[in-house]
Amino acid sequence: AIQLTQSPSSLSASVGDRVTITCRASQGISSALAWYQQKPGKAPKLLIYDASSLESGVPSRFSGSGSGTDFTLTISSLQPEDFATYYCQQFNNFGQGTKLEIK
Amino acid sequence: EVQLVESGGGLVQPGRSLRLSCAASGFTFDDYAMHWVRQAPGKGLEWVSGISWNSGSIGYADSVKGRFTISRDNAKNSLYLQMNSLRAEDTALYYCAKSRDPSSPDAFDIWGQGTMVTVSS
Repeated sequence: AIQLTQSPSSLSASVGDRVTITCRASQGISSALAWYQQKPGKAPKLLIYDASSLESGVPSRFSGSGSGTDFTLTISSLQPEDFATYYCQQFNNFGQGTKLEIK
Repeated sequence: EVQLVESGGGLVQPGRSLRLSCAASGFTFDDYAMHWVRQAPGKGLEWVSGISWNSGSIGYADSVKGRFTISRDNAKNSLYLQMNSLRAEDTALYYCAKSRDPSSPDAFDIWGQGTMVTVSS
């Protein structure tokens, strides 16, 4: 089974910062990776699919890159509403999550 | 409006059964694969099961294989999860989710609000 490992597990940052979250797959998955944002008490929200495609309605400050085993989610300039937990996913496998907190 | 609404959760004793339902609206339900994803309190996301548009392809997480059964009724725009032999570790918020692409089992673009299942004596 494919395992997805996110780093870091938690991150403190300030509004306006540029933030990068990494997801590493235990074997190559081409570009079949998605990223989600989840806020407390809410369902996950799809941000990025196919590693780098921005879901409709998602702000352009979110971007994804990578292929094979190494992937990144980048938020170019953090906004107050971006503080949440982020998950990567490859079909039936999810990363453990990265909690993004306000510094 | 595209929407998924789960129901059927509740408090159940270990070893008993529960059936979850997910009502879909706002999209052509029988074009898409559907999934159940759960989240234990304070924990991450875990894929539970998925079913193709025509029920021809079904998959389960190892943790629920042999105990849970996924099904769908395209005439009723509904997805189901029959959960038998429930265990304490099945306690979680269960989400229904839609595959984004009819031809690729990649991302899940629409999620319900979830239904809570608590397994306890």
